[in-house]
Amino acid sequence: AQSVTQLDSHVSVSEGTPVLLRCNYSSSYSPSLFWYVQHPNKGLQLLLKYTSAATLVKGINGFEAEFKKSETSFHLTKPSAHMSDAAEYFCVVSEGGTGGFKTIFGAGTRLFVKA
Amino acid sequence: NAGVTQTPKFQVLKTGQSMTLQCAQDMNHEYMSWYRQDPGMGLRLIHYSVGAGITDQGEVPNGYNVSRSTTEDFPLRLLSAAPSQTSVYFCASRGRPNSGNTIYFGEGSWLTVV
Repeated sequence: AQSVTQLDSHVSVSEGTPVLLRCNYSSSYSPSLFWYVQHPNKGLQLLLKYTSAATLVKGINGFEAEFKKSETSFHLTKPSAHMSDAAEYFCVVSEGGTGGFKTIFGAGTRLFVKA
Repeated sequence: NAGVTQTPKFQVLKTGQSMTLQCAQDMNHEYMSWYRQDPGMGLRLIHYSVGAGITDQGEVPNGYNVSRSTTEDFPLRLLSAAPSQTSVYFCASRGRPNSGNTIYFGEGSWLTVV
């Protein structure tokens, strides 16, 4: 069975400082991992994805994430936060083994950016 | 534009009424799914499908039915709406794992049950 745990329900940073949003996962198969962002009253936008290629994945808007199999983690980082980064972020795990095909979301991390 | 089309965008129902949320994709994706999003709980999987004629339950299937008669369409039915089903619903689709794996989402359906 697969699961996703986002370790922080909310994170607050100052503009210009680094962002770290933490995600741990469990999966019975080699998973695909994603980060999505959702701005208030908007749909979901893909930030980046890991699908068994390079373990360091670069996404849009300066975000990147590193897949660490030994730690079962896929943390999202950005060197310098911008006010427009304030949103909710979802870590997602998807597997396609013989047991079926499910995509599970973490509970989300709300990012606040202070001026 | 290619993508996932979800209708209606907004709906108010009375308790006990039934309705269907429509979802269609034109990318020939095999995998489609429905989620509900509630504050503080992220997106929870309701039902999913791995191809036409094949559906399975997700994390929170009670009170919802689905069918997948074609590759393109994956409607979600509320048989007897309850206030607990007030939520935002997202339909999603994706291709095979070797096709890039990107999940595409509809724009969401805001449902209120009074």
